Amino acid sequence: GESVGLHLPTLSVQEGDNSIINCAYSNSASDYFIWYKQESGKGPQFIIDIRSNMDKRQGQRVTVLLNKTVKHLSLQIAATQPGDSAVYFCAENLDTQGGSEKLVFGKGTKLTVNP
Amino acid sequence: EAQVTQNPRYLITVTGKKLTVTCSQNMNHEYMSWYRQDPGLGLRQIYYSMNVEVTDKGDVPEGYKVSRKEKRNFPLILESPSPNQTSLYFCASSLVAGAIPSTDTQYFGPGTRLTVL
Repeated sequence: GESVGLHLPTLSVQEGDNSIINCAYSNSASDYFIWYKQESGKGPQFIIDIRSNMDKRQGQRVTVLLNKTVKHLSLQIAATQPGDSAVYFCAENLDTQGGSEKLVFGKGTKLTVNP
Repeated sequence: EAQVTQNPRYLITVTGKKLTVTCSQNMNHEYMSWYRQDPGLGLRQIYYSMNVEVTDKGDVPEGYKVSRKEKRNFPLILESPSPNQTSLYFCASSLVAGAIPSTDTQYFGPGTRLTVL
């Protein structure tokens, strides 16, 4: 069945270190993936996305890696800062039977950055 | 400012008392969606709408209704709320559903925390 999950529910890092958040997806037909950041008391906020025809995409301090062979997605945050503390969700874009598309979210990883 | 707004932000109600959570976006987006977020379960889609007068069930539609009479508004209706609908609700919108990187992102509202006693 369709599912998107995360290997680690919590991650604690020191300020300045690099963070890696992992995600596994189950639908090999998924062609678009997104990482969201959710701070306490707020809605999810788009960070970065990647299409299935790419292996890597870089943003500002963030990199998303896609391994289609093992259906694995990761988010790398360079020089993690206290403001990066949040819950991070991966999501995959699925085609529905009705011909539309929807996002299926993973359960989230809570990142805590220690000063 | 481009945004998705929800009202109310917080609501405590009793079982069986009909309620509506409003959602509005000012970005002329076609696609709108409602999610509920529960601990350990992440975000689950309740209903979505591809455009005006076009709505469809998501993964957890039971106990909810929606309508899309105007492009900007997508209210979530609980005809007879029950305690298992206590949750954090998010409305989201995007230009179209899904697929174009970086231009088709779903924008989320600030959330509505609902408690049903």
